[in-house]
Amino acid sequence: GQQLNQSPQSMFIQEGEDVSMNCTSSSIFNTWLWYKQDPGEGPVLLIALYKAGELTSNGRLTAQFGITRKDSFLNISASIPSDVGIYFCAGQLESNYQLIWGAGTKLIIKP
Amino acid sequence: DAMVIQNPRYQVTQFGKPVTLSCSQTLNHNVMYWYQQKSSQAPKLLFHYYDKDFNNEADTPDNFQSRRPNTSFCFLDIRSPGLGDAAMYLCATSIWERGYRGCEQYFGPGTRLTVT
Repeated sequence: GQQLNQSPQSMFIQEGEDVSMNCTSSSIFNTWLWYKQDPGEGPVLLIALYKAGELTSNGRLTAQFGITRKDSFLNISASIPSDVGIYFCAGQLESNYQLIWGAGTKLIIKP
Repeated sequence: DAMVIQNPRYQVTQFGKPVTLSCSQTLNHNVMYWYQQKSSQAPKLLFHYYDKDFNNEADTPDNFQSRRPNTSFCFLDIRSPGLGDAAMYLCATSIWERGYRGCEQYFGPGTRLTVT
């Protein structure tokens, strides 16, 4: 089946650091979505990307839709403790409205 | 605020005892999804309704059933829960119609199912 490769699997960072994570695939996607999930809660949509090359920000978060339509990245600037959680990318293929999910990136802030 | 609501948030059931999880939405979205999520893994799609049309994933066990009596409500029935069915169950909604470019899914808070 279709797969998204999301990396890194986990990140230990210091408060104030910038964070970067990405998703790649061998398939071409129509849409890229980035979600954040806190423990015990459902995923919350952070950013949606619709066009190749599109760069979109949401506060300290910035995401880009890759030119080849096969990848996307998410950056978080100046991380704060409430950024901890699991970040998922999800892509929509042209042929289907369902989503293909990455395995998630777990963000942990060093004490 | 428009939202996706799941009840209960926590459900404990006994091995083999049927259980029903519920989801309601005020977004008026035409597609509703049920996902299973285990221990920080990606959500796994069980099935979805596109309007009234039910779409089952090929690897979803027969033990899992769903009902959508109207646009706003959707239920997940687990006929004979096993220990392996303990998980977080997530309901999500989206809009899908011709000419609409988006596929964003909006999730409820989930129901944590424990099987004893």
